Amino acid sequence: DTAVSQTPKYLVTQMGNDKSIKCEQNLGHDTMYWYKQDSKKFLKIMFSYNNKELIINETVPNRFSPKSPDKAHLNLHINSLELGDSAVYFCASSPSSGGAINEQFFGPGTRLTVL
Amino acid sequence: GQNIDQPTEMTATEGAIVQINCTYQTSGFNGLFWYQQHAGEAPTFLSYNVLDGLEEKGRFSSFLSRSKGYSYLLLKELQMKDSASYLCAVKGRGSTLGRLYFGRGTQLTVWP
Repeated sequence: DTAVSQTPKYLVTQMGNDKSIKCEQNLGHDTMYWYKQDSKKFLKIMFSYNNKELIINETVPNRFSPKSPDKAHLNLHINSLELGDSAVYFCASSPSSGGAINEQFFGPGTRLTVL
Repeated sequence: GQNIDQPTEMTATEGAIVQINCTYQTSGFNGLFWYQQHAGEAPTFLSYNVLDGLEEKGRFSSFLSRSKGYSYLLLKELQMKDSASYLCAVKGRGSTLGRLYFGRGTQLTVWP
């Protein structure tokens, strides 16, 4: 059973298009995250939701809009895609947002290529 | 701001020991993680330190010195499958609670 799953695994699209990436976790965790990993492998947090509530919103263009319909799902919608959006996007989840070890579990990633 | 520094690349031979260093300067500290990431795959958790000292887990150990802003990951009896990127990440506290700040990763290549 997959703990954190993402769809699609690969996404190739044209500049200017709008696309969505979906994430689901079956670990019963309260907190979910979106990370972007660029071509230099730098992994940077974008957003975090705790029980459907946005708790982290790093400096991200407002073309990126996360949505959490329930605590097991966190989707990422991207409007007006640009070349610089090409990266691997990882979803992650953790039991809560603070406290103790609170290890984050990562999904397999979505490789987005904008042409 | 957050600054996490680790070497870009390291190489070692099978059976050897390698130490990957990480130094950090962060506005808040609530623990340090090491993750392993194989090419094209997701990062997977290796270790967590929040107090000073050494944590040992099989062939992998991780050390933390909070006063020096320093950690290392020690890999013993290296195997070919240990070839991967190793990511150091600091967990924030206070206004940065819940955030993990990652270094750029150290690409380790293990040669036969």
